[in-house]
Amino acid sequence: DGGITQSPKYLFRKEGQNVTLSCEQNLNHDAMYWYRQDPGQGLRLIYYSQIVNDFQKGDIAEGYSVSREKKESFPLTVTSAQKNPTAFYLCASSIPPNEQFFGPGTRLTVL
Amino acid sequence: AQSVAQPEDQVNVAEGNPLTVKCTYSVSGNPYLFWYVQYPNRGLQFLLKYITGDNLVKGSYGFEAEFNKSQTSFHLKKPSALVSDSALYFCAVSANTGGFKTIFGAGTRLFVKA
Repeated sequence: DGGITQSPKYLFRKEGQNVTLSCEQNLNHDAMYWYRQDPGQGLRLIYYSQIVNDFQKGDIAEGYSVSREKKESFPLTVTSAQKNPTAFYLCASSIPPNEQFFGPGTRLTVL
Repeated sequence: AQSVAQPEDQVNVAEGNPLTVKCTYSVSGNPYLFWYVQYPNRGLQFLLKYITGDNLVKGSYGFEAEFNKSQTSFHLKKPSALVSDSALYFCAVSANTGGFKTIFGAGTRLFVKA
């Protein structure tokens, strides 16, 4: 997982609560990504950012928000609008078109 | 639109036997192809990639993959499987459209039996 950290490892959310997942990289990569992983469904792209202060919606952006104020950081907020947020969340970074480097993941559970 | 298919949810092999995990793709333009491995409750780890050059690509831990343009396939192979190879394997594809957005397959679970 070298070079990318995600925190916390486990996160519990109450109904109606917003929570923020942290992602930091020290690889000097321009591009960063957030994926959601559900059993049997592989990885689905939530948001991605190719450069600081710019980001694009992925395939399942509804109920999520991001910011990219620094090259090293790409936090993801899971809002109360996301009705089924229980999943494993993975952050990654890369220098396109090369391989992505993944963090260790955050497991979010709704109480 | 880009897509990736991993037709097998699970592959079972005996230790010491060769293994193959299948992947086919669809993309406009030249594909960039990747294999990743995931162990339980961990992030994905990069194994190998094809961007250009030789169709046979060698990667980490003795894995290799062959790019076949006519069959639009990028199967992952290893001559002799180890029990420690048991994990979840993902194939991924991107292209020089839309900022190299990467599409991942659904994953294939590999079980290597001692």
